[in-house]
Amino acid sequence: DTEVTQTPKHLVMGMTNKKSLKCEQHMGHRAMYWYKQKAKKPPELMFVYSYEKLSINESVPSRFSPECPNSSLLNLHLHALQPEDSALYLCASSQNEDRLDPFILIAKNIQYFGAGTRLSVL
Amino acid sequence: AQTVTQSQPEMSVQEAETVTLSCTYDTSESDYYLFWYKQPPSRQMILVIRQEAYKQQNATENRFSVNFQKAAKSFSLKISDSQLGDAAMYFCAYKDGANSKLTFGKGITLSVRP
Repeated sequence: DTEVTQTPKHLVMGMTNKKSLKCEQHMGHRAMYWYKQKAKKPPELMFVYSYEKLSINESVPSRFSPECPNSSLLNLHLHALQPEDSALYLCASSQNEDRLDPFILIAKNIQYFGAGTRLSVL
Repeated sequence: AQTVTQSQPEMSVQEAETVTLSCTYDTSESDYYLFWYKQPPSRQMILVIRQEAYKQQNATENRFSVNFQKAAKSFSLKISDSQLGDAAMYFCAYKDGANSKLTFGKGITLSVRP
């Protein structure tokens, strides 16, 4: 099972709204990621969580607030967004092991993606 | 910094024919991994194939194979017996062993003609 589940699939919000995106995986992965993707462009990394701790923040504006309540769940809280924040938001997960077993090493380096949340900010 | 270059924005292939998507990368690392991801209109980013830099043998997954030229830093994807379901955007991606970040190329849109 390589499933990463994201909800909702679509979200429309006004600039004064507060909403949250949810991402869930049950593969035992300990690294989780948020990406932003504009149409016909590659995904852009926003945040990385490793063992439920924020390890990378790619200088994302504070109106995006990530949260990792447990090893299976990743949230992205949205507040006071701008129309230019409209995009596809992708969640991904990967193993996070330091063992040198070759199988674990490659598994550690594969990111599995969810189907994304299409966000429109009006 | 590592970079991934996909110079062709679009390609088209006849159903049942073979197509090759090109990708080059730049890195000074010796431990790294290369990936091709497929993103159909349904949006899900699906891993197509992966290649470990330390392996000389080219990876193969059914109709998908790569031509990994380490010295030339080239990582092209060959799709044999193309099917209508192969129509999608394809991203080449790089990751080194010490870094969580996945570096993507700009992507290529592949269309399949019936």
